[in-house]
Amino acid sequence: GAGVSQTPSNKVTEKGKYVELRCDPISGHTALYWYRQSLGQGPEFLIYFQGTGAADDSGLPNDRFFAVRPEGSVSTLKIQRTERGDSAVYLCASSPLAGHYNEQFFGPGTRLTVL
Amino acid sequence: SQKIEQNSEALNIQEGKTATLTCNYTNYSPAYLQWYRQDPGRGPVFLLLIRENEKEKRKERLKVTFDTTLKQSLFHITASQPADSATYLCALDSNDYKLSFGAGTTVTVRA
Repeated sequence: GAGVSQTPSNKVTEKGKYVELRCDPISGHTALYWYRQSLGQGPEFLIYFQGTGAADDSGLPNDRFFAVRPEGSVSTLKIQRTERGDSAVYLCASSPLAGHYNEQFFGPGTRLTVL
Repeated sequence: SQKIEQNSEALNIQEGKTATLTCNYTNYSPAYLQWYRQDPGRGPVFLLLIRENEKEKRKERLKVTFDTTLKQSLFHITASQPADSATYLCALDSNDYKLSFGAGTTVTVRA
């Protein structure tokens, strides 16, 4: 069956530009998570959706970052006025339900490079 | 502050040997701990979950222990194979759904 997919796989942009990263979770998964992973580090939590609403956005670094999931399926992570420090791999994960004992299914990630 | 620390150095082992990876944490009270495998250019893949009231869990050649007193989990790969070469991440919950990950330990198994 289809896993979590993310597009684009690579994105190169210039400092100051706006980018959108897309995540298609596994069909039927209600919980969706975004993480950011820098080289040599583990994934760092950004935001969690339960259905359409952002239940926890405490990991977003600042107000340049925003994410939506309007129909409870596909999610888009939006970054305004990109900075070189935003360069990282952005990972999306989904799970059938949030909560204890649920493994998360990760996509392959989008590698963002800000020049 | 909260910290999750995994073996700081990469692990190089001979095929057939057992690899043992360590995950230590500070200032967390996790209800469970998970281990993931990550290959280069890919997202993490779930391997095992162990609950706070479980001491040990096994799955095929993998074994995980969880000691909430020591605040430590050990991850063992027995009869290791070159295909086990990857980075292994431990993750624990800081609330009901949010996972916090360690930096990972890279394992290379030599044929």
